[in-house]
Amino acid sequence: NAGVTQTPKFQVLKTGQSMTLQCAQDMNHNSMYWYRQDPGMGLRLIYYSASEGTTDKGEVPNGYNVSRLNKREFSLRLESAAPSQTSVYFCASRGLGGETQYFGPGTRLLVL
Amino acid sequence: GNSVTQMEGPVTLSEEAFLTINCTYTATGYPSLFWYVQYPGEGLQLLLKATKADDKGSNKGFEATYRKETTSFHLEKGSVQVSDSAVYFCALSDNAGNNRKLIWGLGTSLAVNP
Repeated sequence: NAGVTQTPKFQVLKTGQSMTLQCAQDMNHNSMYWYRQDPGMGLRLIYYSASEGTTDKGEVPNGYNVSRLNKREFSLRLESAAPSQTSVYFCASRGLGGETQYFGPGTRLLVL
Repeated sequence: GNSVTQMEGPVTLSEEAFLTINCTYTATGYPSLFWYVQYPGEGLQLLLKATKADDKGSNKGFEATYRKETTSFHLEKGSVQVSDSAVYFCALSDNAGNNRKLIWGLGTSLAVNP
């Protein structure tokens, strides 16, 4: 049981480049989440998916898109990266009826 | 709306000292309350939780009691170790059906010196 996995672990982009952050969970969880973590700002929810086939905006969705590819996978896409998107990105999942979220190890993104 | 306020860090303690990290919340209804811990370079993991008033969550020597009268969920540990150095996040669940989300505090960094 790997839990929640994220790739890549670290990425450097130039302003305007695009990239997709991958997330997968093997716990058969229904809900999945994308957060960003910035110093002094705590965790902020970007997008979430309550179940396969549905996605909803969180607090800070601008500049991002998501895809719930299947029950296991939830990807986050930056179409045109900006320096303000330099952050650590965490994916999390939650089982149906549960309250605990399980986190991946994070992706550290630097946009120059 | 719902919100969580936790004490600012960083908190620096010597090994075997007593730890308290304050957390208060504002919420409608009866949310569940959580403490998550983030060790350096890692993702967050659940430390403990409480689902109703007067419940006490405990794990790894840490405890927190759900106090509805003071809307608080303070984290305590009687004797901290160097390995407890981490960032601690208080959170509440909005319990809004299947779109259940967590409302997060800003985190409190703890450094324990030998």
